[in-house]
Parts: sequence; structure tokens; C-alpha cells
Amino acid sequence: DTGVSQDPRHKITKRGQNVTFRCDPISEHNRLYWYRQTLGQGPEFLTYFQNEAQLEKSRLLSDRFSAERPKGSFSTLEIQRTEQGDSAMYLCASSFGQPSYEQYFGPGTRLTVT
Amino acid sequence: QQQVKQSPQSLIVQKGGISIINCAYENTAFDYFPWYQQFPGKGPALLIAIRPDVSEKKEGRFTISFNKSAKQFSLHIMDSQPGDSATYFCAARDYKLSFGAGTTVTVRA
Repeated sequence: DTGVSQDPRHKITKRGQNVTFRCDPISEHNRLYWYRQTLGQGPEFLTYFQNEAQLEKSRLLSDRFSAERPKGSFSTLEIQRTEQGDSAMYLCASSFGQPSYEQYFGPGTRLTVT
Repeated sequence: QQQVKQSPQSLIVQKGGISIINCAYENTAFDYFPWYQQFPGKGPALLIAIRPDVSEKKEGRFTISFNKSAKQFSLHIMDSQPGDSATYFCAARDYKLSFGAGTTVTVRA
């Protein structure tokens, strides 16, 4: 399978715990995006990388959130001191080229904070 | 503040009928307008997309109509099938995608 993959697919955690999600983009895609989707809403942009450089962060990304993309390959999204409001689907997408129009999404990680 | 407004929130169509979903935007910096299809528990899948220099694009049963002056675009699903039952999102791109709130389409057999 050569699509975007995300791990884990589901995560249940207690409030205050830290969680980390991983995204593996489509091979050779230089741009990687993180979005958050709550029930009944469209995805909302969180941050994106071009290769290993993080180029933009949404104001939705509080200081409890951090994302990395070492070596421009896979990416991780960490949430520290989780809150119930963090419960959502976290989606990763990747794209290639300049301009890079088509973004292909992974299956998402469903986070539930209890 | 939602940059892309989508309607209706939901629609029901009979098998073989036409589904129409409308979107509007304000930001003239948007340069690419995709539609995504999402099934429960899955990530959004790119369905069809259009650039603002084109007024219509058709791929199989799916057609996008684009009105640049009105800053509106729409998705038409022709000959709707039960397998088309899903949530559809319009989106608009500057460097990131801004999504509409989604339309849940139910196709009755």
C-alpha cells in the first residue's frame, strides 16, 4: 500500500497524559500537513512541513502541541497534558511538487480523552 | 471564521437522481478547489478538483461547476448510487486547505 499511513488508528487516554501520533506520507511527497476534524465538521488545518521545515502553524495549535518531521520523512504530532477538548480525529495529508495542489489524506487517528 | 461555506448540511436523493452541493468563498487568493468524499471512520478521499480558470470539470458521474465572479462552486453527482452515500466536503487552497462543514448525502435505493 503506497498511501498515507497513520499510527495508531485509535487512542484513548486520560486527561493530563501525553500522546504522540505518527504519520508516514506517500513516498517522495515533500509536503506534509496535519489537520484536526471534530464530529460533524470539516478538517481544520494545524500545521505543515516542506521537507523537514515546519512552515506554518495555525493558532489552533496551542503550546501543548508540537510537531516534527525529522529528515523530511515521517512526522509526529505530540499533545502534552491532554484535555477533553482535544478529542478529535487527527488527519495527516501529503502532497508533492510546486505548486502542490493535490493533498492525499491518511485514515486518521481518533483520539478520545476521558 | 469559516472561509468556505457549504450547503446543504444533508440531502436525501433517490437512486438514479442528481445530488447538488454548493459552496461559496471570499478569499480571492484561493487557487484550487477540490472536493473530498469521506466515509465513516475513514480519511477524506480526493474526488475531483478544479482550478479557477476553468468553469466546469467532469469526471465520470461527478461534475464541478465554478463561477469565479460569484465566488461559488458546486458539485453535481449524476445518476446517484447507494455507494455514493457519504459525507462530501468542498475545500479551497491557498497553501493549506480550508474546508466547508460537509454535506451528508444519503442515496435511497
